[in-house]
Amino acid sequence: AQSVSQHNHHVILSEAASLELGCNYSYGGTVNLFWYVQYPGQHLQLLLKYFSGDPLVKGIKGFEAEFIKSKFSFNLRKPSVQWSDTAEYFCAVNAYGNKLVFGAGTILRVKS
Amino acid sequence: DTGVSQDPRHKITKRGQNVTFRCDPISEHNRLYWYRQTLGQGPEFLTYFQNEAQLEKSRLLSDRFSAERPKGSFSTLEIQRTEQGDSAMYLCASSSTPRGGKPSNYGYTFGSGTRLTVV
Repeated sequence: AQSVSQHNHHVILSEAASLELGCNYSYGGTVNLFWYVQYPGQHLQLLLKYFSGDPLVKGIKGFEAEFIKSKFSFNLRKPSVQWSDTAEYFCAVNAYGNKLVFGAGTILRVKS
Repeated sequence: DTGVSQDPRHKITKRGQNVTFRCDPISEHNRLYWYRQTLGQGPEFLTYFQNEAQLEKSRLLSDRFSAERPKGSFSTLEIQRTEQGDSAMYLCASSSTPRGGKPSNYGYTFGSGTRLTVV
């Protein structure tokens, strides 16, 4: 069965700090990978997705993620976080074209 | 179209009662999914429909749970004889079937969810 691990459940950063959130998945075949964000009181929103091609994917709001197949990883990065990035971030994998399997999420708090 | 709509936003019910939630997907999306999210966890897949056909159900979906999508548009999720362990956020999402094997636009749009509290 597929599974997704997110390394940190809580991350606290100061504004302008760099961000990297880890995500590892367990599945040996072709996967589609996603990062979703959930701002306080709002619904899940897609940040970025990877299907094929360039393993460095750029998403909205300055986020990017790198797919490293050999490490089964899809880490999320942002060079300089803002207070408005305070949210919960979920990594998800889709291997069969249907359901998404989510990680447990990482709560990011950015101090202003 | 304003995205995926779910109703109600909140539901408090007594243990043993039945509850029903509704999801209206994005109109051009033929796939509809139900997920459940509990505190500290990511969403967990419950079931999904392609048009009106329910194609997959998770083992999480006990006999007390039933989902329908009668005309391939909106969907309902019913929980019978609710238990305290059913307390969670129930999320609905919709998507389009990938075309030509190239899912470049493939993605899920989630609704705001229905928060169920069983007391």
